[in-house]
Amino acid sequence: QQQVKQSPQSLIVQKGGISIINCAYENTAFDYFPWYQQFPGKGPALLIAIRPDVSEKKEGRFTISFNKSAKQFSLHIMDSQPGDSATYFCAASGGTGNQFYFGTGTSLTVIP
Amino acid sequence: GAGVSQTPSNKVTEKGKYVELRCDPISGHTALYWYRQSLGQGPEFLIYFQGTGAADDSGLPNDRFFAVRPEGSVSTLKIQRTERGDSAVYLCASSFMAGANTGELFFGEGSRLTVL
Repeated sequence: QQQVKQSPQSLIVQKGGISIINCAYENTAFDYFPWYQQFPGKGPALLIAIRPDVSEKKEGRFTISFNKSAKQFSLHIMDSQPGDSATYFCAASGGTGNQFYFGTGTSLTVIP
Repeated sequence: GAGVSQTPSNKVTEKGKYVELRCDPISGHTALYWYRQSLGQGPEFLIYFQGTGAADDSGLPNDRFFAVRPEGSVSTLKIQRTERGDSAVYLCASSFMAGANTGELFFGEGSRLTVL
């Protein structure tokens, strides 16, 4: 059972545009929602994370929007740049377990 | 180095052989995780160590997979009687804080296993 569902699978955006990636979860015990960025041949690296006590968190061009009632959260990349081209994974953890559950990933391509 | 180190970076083996993959976490990190990532998929949890003990091994797919962390630092993932379906990138991650929801996971670059 996929604990975290992510969409879209791939995304192509023009330079300067907004990239939006969405995730949904079922387990209401989750209380930590990070986004990871992965370049080819590298391990995932933490980009930004949010806890459910806030509805939005912004760090530079990256923003997480969190909707607790809908059990959804999304990553917005403003002014997308070619260097942002990578695979993005949402994740969730919390409750009694110590795992991080990852989404299936979104391959982002930013066209110059 | 300051990051999580994984060796080997690439391993090609034949079906039925035994494989060991090593992870050297960031110094001082007590939590260590193994994940498996298949092509086009997200990381899939295998096992989590807190110190020397496996706190959660619920993600290990079967008894051919085993992991140890005898001194609470370096960990080895061991795969017996490898099968073609074991081919994937095996990622190791470490975290300073105990418990998944209190600290950032720092990933290594992974060990790519190919079983012929």
